[in-house]
Amino acid sequence: DIQMTQSPSTLSASVGDRVTITCRASQSITTWLAWYQQKPGKAPNLLISKASTLESGVPSTFSGSGSGTEFTLTISSLQPDDFATYYCQQYHTFPWTFGQGTKVEIK
Amino acid sequence: QVQLQQSGPGLVKPSQTLSLTCAISGDSVSNNRAAWNWIRQSPSRGLEWLGRTYYRSKLYNDYALSVRSRITINPDTSKNQFSLQLNSVTPEDTAVYYCARDEAPHSGRFDYWGQGTLVTVSS
Repeated sequence: DIQMTQSPSTLSASVGDRVTITCRASQSITTWLAWYQQKPGKAPNLLISKASTLESGVPSTFSGSGSGTEFTLTISSLQPDDFATYYCQQYHTFPWTFGQGTKVEIK
Repeated sequence: QVQLQQSGPGLVKPSQTLSLTCAISGDSVSNNRAAWNWIRQSPSRGLEWLGRTYYRSKLYNDYALSVRSRITINPDTSKNQFSLQLNSVTPEDTAVYYCARDEAPHSGRFDYWGQGTLVTVSS
């Protein structure tokens, strides 16, 4: 299985900060990568697919980049609604696998 | 707008069978471009994809190696829903279980999710 490793595990930030989360794959997944946001008690919500394609309705403060084995999710200006846990997921090679998550908390 | 509504018991005894159902609205379980998945989440295992069912002219199923000997996912076209059965459960199967859809050409990208069901395995 492809291992997905996110860093950091926890990130403390303030409203307005620029935040970057990294996701590394154990082998190349080209750009078959999705990012999800999850809030407590809720299902994950798809933010970005194909590494950099923003899903409909997702604020433009979110962006994704990368290819091969290294990817980033950037929030250009953190908003109160953005405090949540973020997961990357590869869909290049079966079985689909997720990162362990990055919790973005209030500083 | 696709909606997935999960149902099923939240408590299962060890060695028994976990059974959950996911009712689909806004799409069809027989959609030849969609796949219908079960994913679980626990503190120890994180998010773990378990399996899927889908039609591409005929019915297919794929299962994760970790549960392959114990899992069955079935579509029910008459009720437009699909189900999860996980046999011989242990406390390690305690998790929040989600159903989710993916659709070609982005197979494996989960665009719609159920609300989640916490299933506790305990006597």
